[in-house]
Amino acid sequence: DGGITQSPKYLFRKEGQNVTLSCEQNLNHDAMYWYRQDPGQGLRLIYYSQIVNDFQKGDIAEGYSVSREKKESFPLTVTSAQKNPTAFYLCASSDNPLAGGTDTQYFGPGTRLTVL
Amino acid sequence: GQNIDQPTEMTATEGAIVQINCTYQTSGFNGLFWYQQHAGEAPTFLSYNVLDGLEEKGRFSSFLSRSKGYSYLLLKELQMKDSASYLCAVRERDKLSFGAGTTVTVRA
Repeated sequence: DGGITQSPKYLFRKEGQNVTLSCEQNLNHDAMYWYRQDPGQGLRLIYYSQIVNDFQKGDIAEGYSVSREKKESFPLTVTSAQKNPTAFYLCASSDNPLAGGTDTQYFGPGTRLTVL
Repeated sequence: GQNIDQPTEMTATEGAIVQINCTYQTSGFNGLFWYQQHAGEAPTFLSYNVLDGLEEKGRFSSFLSRSKGYSYLLLKELQMKDSASYLCAVRERDKLSFGAGTTVTVRA
């Protein structure tokens, strides 16, 4: 089945540790995105990538890093520099928005990260 | 940047109709999306508007007025499973900005 997978669904880490969240898609989408969702707030964009080996900062990139070595994969690292890392993290993918069309973003199931 | 406003909560009765409004301010509008999100789950795509007017998809319809910076999502014949958060998202160039979401509670 085509889709987006994120693992694990729940993740616990100690304060001061870096942690990497995985995101894989087999939809052949060019673009991939990472969002963070906190209670009572909209999704906020952390990083996005429109093509392999290229990515851009979103609105809240500080304390996070990403890589895009393969079209299918877009892992997100939450570093110890992120002041409030506990949140629900959502990965999404779409066709290249700059190529026109609706470029609807489709979301993975999310990873709930809790930093103790 | 963008400013996207939608009501925080709405309650309606099973079988009724509910309209969720979304207003936005943007310098480069390029489409508006509605997503449904059940608690603890991923958002799922409902509708997309880029031109003025109404788009209908079964029990759900979405309307857009670009000149007014306004959209609404209409849910008809409400069912218990429609209890969820509904997110309005505006595209500006190559990025989406999301509203905080409207939590709809459907009561029997």
